[in-house]
Amino acid sequence: EPEVTQTPSHQVTQMGQEVILRCVPISNHLYFYWYRQILGQKVEFLVSFYNNEISEKSEIFDDQFSVERPDGSNFTLKIRSTKLEDSAMYFCATQDGNSPLHFGNGTRLTVT
Amino acid sequence: GIQVEQSPPDLILQEGANSTLRCNFSDSVNNLQWFHQNPWGQLINLFYIPSGTKQNGRLSATTVATERYSLLYISSSQTTDSGVYFCAVGPAGGTSYGKLTFGQGTILTVHP
Repeated sequence: EPEVTQTPSHQVTQMGQEVILRCVPISNHLYFYWYRQILGQKVEFLVSFYNNEISEKSEIFDDQFSVERPDGSNFTLKIRSTKLEDSAMYFCATQDGNSPLHFGNGTRLTVT
Repeated sequence: GIQVEQSPPDLILQEGANSTLRCNFSDSVNNLQWFHQNPWGQLINLFYIPSGTKQNGRLSATTVATERYSLLYISSSQTTDSGVYFCAVGPAGGTSYGKLTFGQGTILTVHP
């Protein structure tokens, strides 16, 4: 079964540094998402991306965050200047329309 | 936005017991998924079930969309069933197909 692949599985960074989280979607999927889960809390929607633009974003997704598909295959989430409270598990999810979302295994981001 | 409530918040079982997890939601949905989050943090998709009943081995799920709830049944539980179970819903209408709202989860512990 096709999978959503996320790299790295774990990233440790210092406060103020930029990080890029990467996702390889399932090949025929057109809708891409990032979700976040702070330790011990529920999973929260960050942003949706379709047709090379953001279609919806949450209030969490402020100017420090950006997404893009730089090469037509990868889907990335960039955090420009990380804060301690950005420490969380970040999940990429993809979808081919009005159907289930397929989630990657997540990237655990630790900001020190 | 749509509200999702899961019950019970915690559930402790002996191996072999059966259980029912509930998910209530506040508005019409076109997407409902049940996930199991394993100890490594991975979200395992169990069911895509915006309506109707599905079964997969020892697990089954039923969604009664008109009454805005879904149930996940686990029969003959095993220690490997332990983890957090999340219900997530996507609102009907509009274009927010993949903007899932997650519940707080049910923490299931199965003792040998």
